[in-house]
Amino acid sequence: KAGVTQTPRYLIKTRGQQVTLSCSPISGHRSVSWYQQTPGQGLQFLFEYFSETQRNKGNFPGRFSGRQFSNSRSEMNVSTLELGDSALYLCASSRIWGAQNTEAFFGQGTRLTVV
Amino acid sequence: QKEVEQNSGPLSVPEGAIASLNCTYSDRVSQSFFWYRQYSGKSPELIMSIYSNGDKEDGRFTAQLNKASQYVSLLIRDSQPSDSATYLCAVKEDDDMRFGAGTRLTVKP
Repeated sequence: KAGVTQTPRYLIKTRGQQVTLSCSPISGHRSVSWYQQTPGQGLQFLFEYFSETQRNKGNFPGRFSGRQFSNSRSEMNVSTLELGDSALYLCASSRIWGAQNTEAFFGQGTRLTVV
Repeated sequence: QKEVEQNSGPLSVPEGAIASLNCTYSDRVSQSFFWYRQYSGKSPELIMSIYSNGDKEDGRFTAQLNKASQYVSLLIRDSQPSDSATYLCAVKEDDDMRFGAGTRLTVKP
């Protein structure tokens, strides 16, 4: 069974540009969460999608947005990139949303560097 | 503010010893608890989940949960150098999952 697939794995962008990251969840999983991980801040929750609807959102500016498609694949977009957006962006897939005893599995992440 | 606290370490143990990783959480209604292992430069990997009070064993790993004390721990028996990683505690209530900052474990040969 294939795991969570994130593309691209590495990305270098210039300040002010925008970027789109993609996440394909485990087959049969319908919930996708996004996290930003930096050495200083640890894992910070961005947002979670289930059935093409954003169910939960973390404390990030509006430059960070996402969406989910009918096949459960998800994308996140960051506009007007800043140097501080350099981080490892992780996607986690879960079978369902909002239920207890539901495990989340991470993809390999996309390492974004903003120069 | 719901908090998940872990000792950042580094925690250093000799090969073959028991490594004990601890996590406390502030939200009494949290119901699901997870341990992830993250190697440097890699993504977190789920190694244990525990939902009820007591111990849960899986190979060399044992998770312990005490909801009354709001405490969850991970024991690694017969620690190996390959266990050297950062261990993240995650606590979930309904649709809200929060992570601790992680404990860095080093197992010395």
